[in-house]
Amino acid sequence: QVQLVQSGAEVKKPGASVKVSCKASGYTFTGYYMHWVRQAPGQGLEWMGWINPNSGGTNYAQKFQGRVTMTRDTSISTAYMELSRLRSDDTAVYYCARSSYGGNSILNYWGQGTLVTVSS
Amino acid sequence: EIVLTQSPGTLSLSPGERATLSCRASQSVSSSSLAWYQQKPGQAPRLLIYGASSRATGIPDRFSGSGSGTDFTLTISRLEPEDFAVYYCQQYGSSPPYTFGQGTKLEIK
Repeated sequence: QVQLVQSGAEVKKPGASVKVSCKASGYTFTGYYMHWVRQAPGQGLEWMGWINPNSGGTNYAQKFQGRVTMTRDTSISTAYMELSRLRSDDTAVYYCARSSYGGNSILNYWGQGTLVTVSS
Repeated sequence: EIVLTQSPGTLSLSPGERATLSCRASQSVSSSSLAWYQQKPGQAPRLLIYGASSRATGIPDRFSGSGSGTDFTLTISRLEPEDFAVYYCQQYGSSPPYTFGQGTKLEIK
């Protein structure tokens, strides 16, 4: 069965960077885009971008351009999302989510989420 | 960027009743590329509906979606206790960002 297992919670200081991992299993990792979505405490969902694990190509929401980097390691079926220059309003749960097929953006499998807390 | 506005913000109903949730887009959503997700406290979202009206695998037939263009609806025909949650719509049309609505909280009356 498809599983996405994310790395554990992180506490960072303002200005630092965080890198969250998402290990995939149960399917061909390079066959489906991986998206990242975040959710601030008590707030809604915010799409951050996707990575094509096959080519490494990415597409980021304009809001995060210049601060976010999505990468992957196909040898271990793992996607990464790195966010730099962290601010307090980056405190959120970060989810990876797989497309339902190929390069679409219907998100039918989700990781368990990684809480990133930004605090001085 | 397409802005999605969901209404109502909170919906209070009893088990067995019918729920109607609305999602309105600021511009037409191409090819009815509209999905609905359910999220319970402490859990990741779950895909319910895609393509405006197609149920995802394993989703009960009491959930249905409809609409096109700028107006979309999620209907739950007879509420079960496990249906009380927050619901989000998402557009995934031709170009990103693939925005979400702000959510509708469905609570027990």
